[in-house]
Amino acid sequence: DAKTTQPPSMDCAEGRAANLPCNHSTISGNEYVYWYRQIHSQGPQYIIHGLKNNETNEMASLIITEDRKSSTLILPHATLRDTAVYYCIVGSTGTASKLTFGTGTRLQVTL
Amino acid sequence: ETGVTQTPRHLVMGMTNKKSLKCEQHLGHNAMYWYKQSAKKPLELMFVYNFKEQTENNSVPSRFSPECPNSSHLFLHLHTLQPEDSALYLCASSQDLGERQLFGPGTRLTVL
Repeated sequence: DAKTTQPPSMDCAEGRAANLPCNHSTISGNEYVYWYRQIHSQGPQYIIHGLKNNETNEMASLIITEDRKSSTLILPHATLRDTAVYYCIVGSTGTASKLTFGTGTRLQVTL
Repeated sequence: ETGVTQTPRHLVMGMTNKKSLKCEQHLGHNAMYWYKQSAKKPLELMFVYNFKEQTENNSVPSRFSPECPNSSHLFLHLHTLQPEDSALYLCASSQDLGERQLFGPGTRLTVL
């Protein structure tokens, strides 16, 4: 079972920030929050991950609440090429690791 | 840009055929994975290999047989598949278990 809950779909205007929420209320202390995206018929692409601090890279920012029960992926200036299914996944490192993909959020970026 | 390659990209096979899917990475990654993605369903983890040893078999039917001869190559041998096995088969690798995974482009399999 996926341990995260995401809205099934969202729309965003091109050039605006896309904020994708994720609930992970049962996250364990050693579990990270990972975000991947999958553009139609391609392999998933890693975006970002974090443990408890907010993270930023060239693709996106990840905001994790203080209680770690939810997070938000932010694409600061969405483009049409960001249209994809975005997956929020929680998982630990090491031998106990296992990424379980849910159904994700289908983000549609429009003109 | 992906460092994980998969061949073939498309495969059509009959239920009595035997075929193999190949995955290759020269990134120095120690862990490799097979996933299945059926239409309208989430990705399903099938097998995990770490340092060439299988660490996870996610209740996959025996008609799917993985092989990891070295840490750069991963195969999925297919035998007497069913039409419902038609799906996108994705390979991924990571430096170590639990680290971020890099996915290949997938093999689109159709079983007639």
